[in-house]
Amino acid sequence: EIVLTQSPGTLSLSPGERATLSCRASQSVGSYLGWYQHKPGQAPRLLIYDASNRASGIPARFSGSGSGTDFTLTISSLEPEDFAVYYCQQRSNGPPTFGGGTKVEIK
Amino acid sequence: EVQLLESGGGLVQPGGSLRLSCAASGFSFSSYDMRWVRQAPGKGLEWVSSITASGTGTYYADSVKGRFTISRDNSNNTMYLQMNRLRAEDTAVYYCARLLLTSKYCDYWGQGILVTVSS
Repeated sequence: EIVLTQSPGTLSLSPGERATLSCRASQSVGSYLGWYQHKPGQAPRLLIYDASNRASGIPARFSGSGSGTDFTLTISSLEPEDFAVYYCQQRSNGPPTFGGGTKVEIK
Repeated sequence: EVQLLESGGGLVQPGGSLRLSCAASGFSFSSYDMRWVRQAPGKGLEWVSSITASGTGTYYADSVKGRFTISRDNSNNTMYLQMNRLRAEDTAVYYCARLLLTSKYCDYWGQGILVTVSS
């Protein structure tokens, strides 16, 4: 199965700053990678699918890029509600797998 | 409004069984593939099982294959997860989720239900 490695584990930033999250796959997943936001006690929320497509209702400050094995989720200017854990997920080969998550916390 | 509501969780002893339900509303349930995803305490998300819109295709993570069974009742807009021979490592919050029509990502999720396997 494809292993997704997210970095960093924790990102400490202030509101208004830019956040850059990384997801690396153990083998190529083409463009078949998505990103979710997850807050404690809430349902996860799909942000990005197929590397760079924003899901319905997702603000433009969220953007995704990459292909093959290296992907990035960028939040251009952090809003207070953006502090959460972010997961990547691939749908390329074999079972769907998730990365271990990046926690974006308030500095 | 799309809604997914899980039920059936709780405390069960190792080796026991539970059946989770996911009641769907606000969309054409029979048109969508569905999925169960879990999150163990302090851990990340883990795919458990998926089922096609018609119910004819079912898929399982290796960790639950042979012990869990996914099913759905399109006439009642409900998906199920029958969990047998439960182990301590199955302790988690279980989420039901709807897959996008065009690709295998989950666009709507339930709030989750806790399953605790402990003696």
